[in-house]
Amino acid sequence: EVQLVQSGAEVKKPGTTVNISCKVSGYTFIDFYIQWVRQAPGQGLEWMGLVDPADGETIYAERFQGRVTITADTSTDTAYLELSGLRYEDTAMYYCAKGNNWFAPWGQGTLVTVSS
Amino acid sequence: DIVMTQSPLSLPVTPGEPASISCRSSQSLLHSNGYNYLNWYLQKPGQSPQLLIYVASNRASGVPDRFSGSGSGTDFTLKISRVEAEDVGVYYCMQTLETRRVTFGPGTRVDIK
Repeated sequence: EVQLVQSGAEVKKPGTTVNISCKVSGYTFIDFYIQWVRQAPGQGLEWMGLVDPADGETIYAERFQGRVTITADTSTDTAYLELSGLRYEDTAMYYCAKGNNWFAPWGQGTLVTVSS
Repeated sequence: DIVMTQSPLSLPVTPGEPASISCRSSQSLLHSNGYNYLNWYLQKPGQSPQLLIYVASNRASGVPDRFSGSGSGTDFTLKISRVEAEDVGVYYCMQTLETRRVTFGPGTRVDIK
């Protein structure tokens, strides 16, 4: 069974950095991209970027350029999302998902709360 | 970026009745390989999104056959032949024609009348 298991909830202060992990199992890690999508409370889905674990290539949504870093560790089959310069409006559920042209399955989500 | 719109944004349904959601894109999603890079997801309350339909008309593994997807170019439709109570949630369409600029529709909330 393919599974993506994310790290636990985080509470962060404005201006700091959050790092979320996504450990995969049940398939060959380097065969598919890992995508990151976030969802603000009561809002829709917003794509943030992806990593190709085969070569580490990344693509970021333009609005997150300069603040987001996505990496993949093939020794542990784990992908990471790092978001810096946190703002109150970054409070959201962050999801990782497996896939290149369609995303399935998704991780359980990591709630990030930005609060002073 | 390709802008995705959905209608309706809210859809009250009666169990056993059919339901339909429309998704439109600001640019054609038809790739030169013949595939339309349009996918449908359902996010049930309190859960992560789950894939229903990929490349416009292919049901994902484990998805009941009451769900079907159709369309090409800029106009797409998700149909539920007979709604069941477990189908409530928010339905999103998503385009991946532009891999560097993946975009979602605003979502359609489906609930029971």
